[in-house]
Amino acid sequence: ETGVTQTPRHLVMGMTNKKSLKCEQHLGHNAMYWYKQSAKKPLELMFVYNFKEQTENNSVPSRFSPECPNSSHLFLHLHTLQPEDSALYLCASSLTRGSNTEAFFGQGTRLTVV
Amino acid sequence: KQEVTQIPAALSVPEGENLVLNCSFTDSAIYNLQWFRQDPGKGLTSLLLIQSSQREQTSGRLNASLDKSSGRSTLYIAASQPGDSATYLCAVPRYTSGTYKYIFGTGTRLKVLA
Repeated sequence: ETGVTQTPRHLVMGMTNKKSLKCEQHLGHNAMYWYKQSAKKPLELMFVYNFKEQTENNSVPSRFSPECPNSSHLFLHLHTLQPEDSALYLCASSLTRGSNTEAFFGQGTRLTVV
Repeated sequence: KQEVTQIPAALSVPEGENLVLNCSFTDSAIYNLQWFRQDPGKGLTSLLLIQSSQREQTSGRLNASLDKSSGRSTLYIAASQPGDSATYLCAVPRYTSGTYKYIFGTGTRLKVLA
């Protein structure tokens, strides 16, 4: 266990469904991240939040909608996805004060869009 | 713009061998460098974080070195075991908009044969 918990671990959804991914950390970190990992591609940063304020949106399509109600919880709301959105979605957290910026990742949600 | 490269992309070795994984980065002004392990379909597990002021960091059979001036880090695995089989990723944080963005390499897929 890394201290970052993601649910669900696996998700299959149709292109017209609406679903949400959840991430929580109780490490006292102030920054939280969503990454996408597709087969044979490097990790792609999607969103960054710092003290629940969004600081980065890496040109992500609007069918992905993040929400960060507090520094411990992060959601990714999904709607009208495409099959090419099938991937492993990883959440991470870190401190952004000082030089110890060690990032901790969750186990990921394996998303399949059918 | 920071770019991170890992060589080799894949490596297959017999059990018991000592091995070296390489990570290169283009911008030497880094805060630290982090090595991760990823098992298939799982999240990332932090192995070692080496600060910019350090030359080496050790954890068990793992030793990471950092040469900022040449833009390189190596992960040395001693006496490899089949359980070490995984993908190894390195990442450097880039400070922007009050938070850190982690720039990842493409990974080295390691297979240790029994």
